[in-house]
Amino acid sequence: EAGVVQSPRYKIIEKKQPVAFWCNPISGHNTLYWYRQNLGQGPELLIRYENEEAVDDSQLPKDRFSAERLKGVDSTLKIQPAELGDSAVYLCANSRDNTGELFFGEGSRLTVL
Amino acid sequence: QKEVEQDPGPLSVPEGAIVSLNCTYSNSAFQYFMWYRQYSRKGPELLMYTYSSGNKEDGRFTAQVDKSSKYISLFIRDSQPSDSATYLCAMRTGGGNKLTFGTGTQLKVEL
Repeated sequence: EAGVVQSPRYKIIEKKQPVAFWCNPISGHNTLYWYRQNLGQGPELLIRYENEEAVDDSQLPKDRFSAERLKGVDSTLKIQPAELGDSAVYLCANSRDNTGELFFGEGSRLTVL
Repeated sequence: QKEVEQDPGPLSVPEGAIVSLNCTYSNSAFQYFMWYRQYSRKGPELLMYTYSSGNKEDGRFTAQVDKSSKYISLFIRDSQPSDSATYLCAMRTGGGNKLTFGTGTQLKVEL
Protein backbone atom coordinates (compact mmCIF):
# COMPACT_ATOMS: atom_id res chain seq x y z
CA GLU A 1 0.00 0.00 0.00
CA ALA A 2 1.48 3.34 -1.04
CA GLY A 3 1.85 5.93 1.68
CA VAL A 4 0.92 9.59 1.69
CA VAL A 5 2.69 11.37 -1.15
CA GLN A 6 3.55 15.04 -0.97
CA SER A 7 5.18 17.39 -3.40
CA PRO A 8 7.33 19.31 -3.72
CA ARG A 9 9.67 18.08 -0.99
CA TYR A 10 11.53 21.37 -0.89
CA LYS A 11 10.61 24.86 -2.02
CA ILE A 12 12.53 28.11 -1.72
CA ILE A 13 10.73 31.32 -2.61
CA GLU A 14 11.02 35.01 -1.94
CA LYS A 15 8.54 36.71 0.32
CA LYS A 16 5.32 37.87 -1.29
CA GLN A 17 5.50 35.03 -3.83
CA PRO A 18 2.77 32.38 -3.99
CA VAL A 19 3.41 28.70 -3.28
CA ALA A 20 1.33 25.54 -3.46
CA PHE A 21 1.73 22.11 -1.94
CA TRP A 22 0.06 18.94 -3.12
CA CYS A 23 -0.96 15.81 -1.23
CA ASN A 24 -2.06 12.44 -2.55
CA PRO A 25 -3.57 10.45 0.32
CA ILE A 26 -3.73 6.75 1.02
CA SER A 27 -6.59 5.19 -0.86
CA GLY A 28 -9.67 4.80 1.30
CA HIS A 29 -8.43 7.06 4.10
CA ASN A 30 -11.16 9.64 4.03
CA THR A 31 -9.88 12.09 6.62
CA LEU A 32 -7.10 14.39 5.48
CA TYR A 33 -5.12 16.88 7.53
CA TRP A 34 -2.66 19.65 6.80
CA TYR A 35 -0.23 20.38 9.61
CA ARG A 36 2.52 22.96 9.90
CA GLN A 37 5.67 22.07 11.80
CA ASN A 38 8.05 24.85 12.74
CA LEU A 39 11.66 24.04 13.55
CA GLY A 40 11.92 22.40 16.97
CA GLN A 41 8.15 22.27 17.42
CA GLY A 42 5.43 19.69 17.12
CA PRO A 43 2.96 19.69 14.24
CA GLU A 44 0.07 22.15 14.50
CA LEU A 45 -3.19 21.52 12.69
CA LEU A 46 -4.13 23.92 9.92
CA ILE A 47 -7.16 22.21 8.42
CA ARG A 48 -8.98 18.87 8.51
CA TYR A 49 -11.16 17.39 5.78
CA GLU A 50 -13.74 14.65 5.99
CA ASN A 51 -13.94 13.58 2.35
CA GLU A 52 -14.24 16.89 0.48
CA GLU A 53 -15.66 18.90 3.39
CA ALA A 54 -13.42 21.09 5.54
CA VAL A 55 -14.67 20.29 9.05
CA ASP A 56 -12.04 22.17 11.04
CA ASP A 57 -10.21 25.15 9.57
CA SER A 58 -10.14 27.28 12.70
CA GLN A 59 -6.33 27.41 12.73
CA LEU A 60 -5.93 28.24 9.05
CA PRO A 61 -4.81 31.88 8.48
CA LYS A 62 -7.46 32.60 5.93
CA ASP A 63 -6.07 35.91 4.79
CA ARG A 64 -3.22 34.18 2.98
CA PHE A 65 -3.78 30.44 3.22
CA SER A 66 -6.29 28.41 1.27
CA ALA A 67 -6.86 24.72 0.80
CA GLU A 68 -9.03 22.50 -1.30
CA ARG A 69 -9.73 18.81 -1.64
CA LEU A 70 -11.27 18.00 -4.94
CA LYS A 71 -13.53 14.94 -5.11
CA GLY A 72 -12.41 13.96 -1.65
CA VAL A 73 -9.04 12.65 -2.81
CA ASP A 74 -6.01 14.86 -3.57
CA SER A 75 -5.58 18.11 -1.72
CA THR A 76 -3.66 21.32 -2.26
CA LEU A 77 -2.56 23.93 0.25
CA LYS A 78 -1.75 27.39 -1.06
CA ILE A 79 -0.07 30.40 0.48
CA GLN A 80 -0.40 33.76 -1.22
CA PRO A 81 1.52 35.89 -0.53
CA ALA A 82 4.15 34.08 1.51
CA GLU A 83 5.77 35.77 4.49
CA LEU A 84 9.09 35.07 6.20
CA GLY A 85 7.29 33.47 9.13
CA ASP A 86 5.74 30.87 6.84
CA SER A 87 9.04 29.00 6.62
CA ALA A 88 8.21 25.57 8.01
CA VAL A 89 7.50 21.98 7.03
CA TYR A 90 3.96 21.44 5.79
CA LEU A 91 2.78 17.93 6.55
CA CYS A 92 -0.17 16.14 5.04
CA ALA A 93 -1.69 13.28 7.02
CA ASN A 94 -4.53 10.79 6.66
CA SER A 95 -6.53 8.71 9.05
CA ARG A 96 -9.01 5.90 8.43
CA ASP A 97 -10.68 5.85 11.84
CA ASN A 98 -10.82 7.71 15.14
CA THR A 99 -8.03 5.85 16.93
CA GLY A 100 -5.63 8.77 16.69
CA GLU A 101 -3.37 7.00 14.24
CA LEU A 102 -2.37 9.46 11.58
CA PHE A 103 -0.33 8.49 8.56
CA PHE A 104 1.96 11.34 7.60
CA GLY A 105 3.67 12.16 4.37
CA GLU A 106 7.32 13.20 4.34
CA GLY A 107 6.37 16.86 4.27
CA SER A 108 7.08 19.87 2.08
CA ARG A 109 9.84 22.06 3.47
CA LEU A 110 9.27 25.73 2.67
CA THR A 111 11.92 28.41 2.97
CA VAL A 112 10.83 32.00 2.46
CA LEU A 113 13.67 34.45 1.83
CA GLN B 1 1.27 27.93 29.10
CA LYS B 2 1.05 25.27 26.42
CA GLU B 3 -1.47 22.46 26.82
CA VAL B 4 1.31 19.90 26.37
CA GLU B 5 4.85 20.39 27.64
CA GLN B 6 7.78 18.27 26.52
CA ASP B 7 11.48 18.67 27.17
CA PRO B 8 13.04 19.31 23.73
CA GLY B 9 16.40 17.78 24.61
CA PRO B 10 18.62 16.94 22.87
CA LEU B 11 19.13 13.75 24.83
CA SER B 12 22.25 11.71 24.13
CA VAL B 13 22.66 8.20 25.56
CA PRO B 14 25.00 5.26 24.95
CA GLU B 15 23.76 2.18 23.13
CA GLY B 16 21.97 -0.20 25.45
CA ALA B 17 20.81 2.49 27.87
CA ILE B 18 17.28 2.82 29.17
CA VAL B 19 15.68 6.01 27.88
CA SER B 20 12.87 7.87 29.58
CA LEU B 21 10.88 10.48 27.66
CA ASN B 22 8.16 12.51 29.31
CA CYS B 23 5.29 14.90 28.71
CA THR B 24 3.02 16.81 31.03
CA TYR B 25 -0.33 18.25 30.09
CA SER B 26 -2.85 20.63 31.55
CA ASN B 27 -6.14 19.65 29.85
CA SER B 28 -7.87 17.05 31.98
CA ALA B 29 -10.16 16.23 29.04
CA PHE B 30 -7.36 14.42 27.24
CA GLN B 31 -8.16 10.72 27.24
CA TYR B 32 -6.06 9.18 24.49
CA PHE B 33 -2.29 9.37 24.45
CA MET B 34 0.15 8.60 21.70
CA TRP B 35 3.83 8.62 20.99
CA TYR B 36 5.02 9.37 17.49
CA ARG B 37 8.58 8.89 16.23
CA GLN B 38 9.98 11.25 13.63
CA TYR B 39 13.20 10.57 11.82
CA SER B 40 15.10 13.48 10.32
CA ARG B 41 13.35 14.91 7.25
CA LYS B 42 10.51 12.40 7.53
CA GLY B 43 6.94 12.60 8.73
CA PRO B 44 5.96 11.34 12.19
CA GLU B 45 4.88 7.70 12.55
CA LEU B 46 2.78 6.24 15.33
CA LEU B 47 4.80 4.25 17.85
CA MET B 48 2.50 3.69 20.81
CA TYR B 49 -1.16 4.35 21.61
CA THR B 50 -2.70 4.20 25.06
CA TYR B 51 -6.01 4.96 26.70
CA SER B 52 -6.47 5.54 30.43
CA SER B 53 -3.88 5.29 33.14
CA GLY B 54 -1.46 2.39 33.29
CA ASN B 55 1.30 0.79 31.27
CA LYS B 56 1.41 -0.62 27.77
CA GLU B 57 4.35 -2.60 26.48
CA ASP B 58 5.42 -3.31 22.91
CA GLY B 59 8.79 -4.94 22.53
CA ARG B 60 11.45 -2.60 23.87
CA PHE B 61 8.95 0.24 24.29
CA THR B 62 6.70 0.91 27.28
CA ALA B 63 4.18 3.72 27.42
CA GLN B 64 2.97 4.88 30.82
CA VAL B 65 0.07 7.20 31.62
CA ASP B 66 -0.67 8.80 34.97
CA LYS B 67 -3.85 10.81 34.57
CA SER B 68 -3.91 11.92 38.20
CA SER B 69 -0.59 13.69 37.68
CA LYS B 70 -1.26 14.57 34.02
CA TYR B 71 2.01 12.94 33.10
CA ILE B 72 2.92 10.44 30.39
CA SER B 73 6.16 8.62 29.71
CA LEU B 74 7.80 6.50 27.07
CA PHE B 75 10.55 4.10 28.10
CA ILE B 76 12.94 2.54 25.62
CA ARG B 77 14.94 -0.45 26.82
CA ASP B 78 18.21 -1.57 25.26
CA SER B 79 18.33 1.55 23.11
CA GLN B 80 19.82 1.20 19.64
CA PRO B 81 21.37 3.75 17.25
CA SER B 82 18.31 3.21 15.04
CA ASP B 83 16.19 4.71 17.84
CA SER B 84 17.85 8.08 17.19
CA ALA B 85 14.95 10.32 16.25
CA THR B 86 12.61 12.94 17.64
CA TYR B 87 9.84 11.55 19.84
CA LEU B 88 6.58 13.47 19.92
CA CYS B 89 3.88 12.92 22.46
CA ALA B 90 0.34 13.57 21.26
CA MET B 91 -3.02 13.46 22.90
CA ARG B 92 -6.68 14.02 22.19
CA THR B 93 -10.01 14.26 23.93
CA GLY B 94 -12.71 11.69 23.30
CA GLY B 95 -14.09 13.03 20.05
CA GLY B 96 -12.38 12.92 16.68
CA ASN B 97 -8.74 12.90 15.73
CA LYS B 98 -7.72 16.43 16.67
CA LEU B 99 -4.32 15.78 18.17
CA THR B 100 -2.32 18.16 20.32
CA PHE B 101 1.39 17.48 19.98
CA GLY B 102 4.26 18.20 22.30
CA THR B 103 7.33 19.94 20.95
CA GLY B 104 9.23 16.66 20.60
CA THR B 105 12.38 15.35 22.30
CA GLN B 106 15.39 14.76 20.12
CA LEU B 107 17.15 11.51 21.05
CA LYS B 108 20.56 10.36 19.92
CA VAL B 109 21.79 6.87 20.77
CA GLU B 110 25.53 6.62 20.34
CA LEU B 111 27.67 3.56 19.69
